[in-house]
Amino acid sequence: NAGVMQNPRHLVRRRGQEARLRCSPMKGHSHVYWYRQLPEEGLKFMVYLQKENIIDESGMPKERFSAEFPKEGPSILRIQQVVRGDSAAYFCASSPGEQETQYFGPGTRLLVL
Amino acid sequence: GQSLEQPSEVTAVEGAIVQINCTYQTSGFYGLSWYQQHDGGAPTFLSYNALDGLEETGRFSSFLSRSDSYGYLLLQELQMKDSASYFCAVTWVDSNYQLIWGAGTKLIIKP
Repeated sequence: NAGVMQNPRHLVRRRGQEARLRCSPMKGHSHVYWYRQLPEEGLKFMVYLQKENIIDESGMPKERFSAEFPKEGPSILRIQQVVRGDSAAYFCASSPGEQETQYFGPGTRLLVL
Repeated sequence: GQSLEQPSEVTAVEGAIVQINCTYQTSGFYGLSWYQQHDGGAPTFLSYNALDGLEETGRFSSFLSRSDSYGYLLLQELQMKDSASYFCAVTWVDSNYQLIWGAGTKLIIKP
């Protein structure tokens, strides 16, 4: 009965490098959401995906950020050429359906030096 | 745009009752959720209200008034482990049913 899994839990990158964050949804969940959280703030929606489809990416920065949820394997949030402002906690959530409760993974804390 | 307001911090004593309020903009409202987040942890789902009224789950209850665009989370018999941040999050019809989050209320519990 594994919950949402994310790895790595902590990721340190230098400016200009790439960051790849992985998320495996709960068993039976086909909807994945990515959120970003800065210290002392609420979560900010980034992107909503179903298998092989991006449903809503209205919260994603237009450049350097991309997300995918392939037919096989975890969902990936990719940040190219990271900058210090990308330092944040990135949470993934999954749900069994579109309007159903979202369950969160433990998050990936990204630190850009 | 969509917006939610909740107090930034609330202090209470162990064993007491505390209410955390949340107000939201009305257009396209679908439902109100509450999440708990301990420092360094992941948000944990507490409750969801789509209809007016009170939903009770053990020591935690959540209330919604759609006509007032207002909800609250009620925590009873406070324990030290309840010290955390509490977020209200609204599902909006016109944002593809995505969760829009408040900035969170930090609950500080004193012995």
